[in-house]
Amino acid sequence: QVQLVQSGAEVKKPGASVKVSCKASGYMFTSYGISWVRQAPGQGLEWMGLISGYNGNANYGQKVQGRVSMTIDTSTSTAYMELRSLRADDTAVYYCARRGVTRSYDYWGQGTLVTVSS
Amino acid sequence: DIQMTQSPSSLSASVGDRVTITCRASQGISNSLAWYQQKPGKAPKLLLFAASRLESGVPSRFSGGGSATEYTLTISSLQPEDYATYFCHQYYSTPPTFGPGTKVDIK
Repeated sequence: QVQLVQSGAEVKKPGASVKVSCKASGYMFTSYGISWVRQAPGQGLEWMGLISGYNGNANYGQKVQGRVSMTIDTSTSTAYMELRSLRADDTAVYYCARRGVTRSYDYWGQGTLVTVSS
Repeated sequence: DIQMTQSPSSLSASVGDRVTITCRASQGISNSLAWYQQKPGKAPKLLLFAASRLESGVPSRFSGGGSATEYTLTISSLQPEDYATYFCHQYYSTPPTFGPGTKVDIK
């Protein structure tokens, strides 16, 4: 069965970087894109970007453009999201999600809480 | 960016009630709309895509409709496990955007 398993919670200081992983299983990794979506406490869902599982091409949301990098490792079917120059308002649960053939997000990771605090 | 709004932002309903949530897009999205259910502390779960197509394994009491800029999610007979927050999501254009959510709780 399809699974996306994310790395564990992180606590970071302002200005630091965080790298979250998302290990996929149960499907052909190179056939689907992975999106990253975050959710601040008590808030809605914000799209951060999408990376192709085929060739690693990525496009990013405007709010995080310049601070975010998304990469893949096809040998381990793992996607990564690195966010730099962290600020308090980056505190959120970060989700990876598979973009299905219909372009909706059919499978989600369990989420990774990133807390940014001095 | 396409802005998504939802109404109501919250509602209280009883088991067995028919519940309808509306999602509006700031421009036409050609049925490129999904609905998700999210329970506290959990990831969103896909319910419907292409506005009205039920994801595999989702109960048939969930249905979707609409066109152009206005879409609906209907739960025909609310069950205890349906108490959750529901989000719409347009994937017609980049960036994909989400509605702010509708919280359904117990009356």
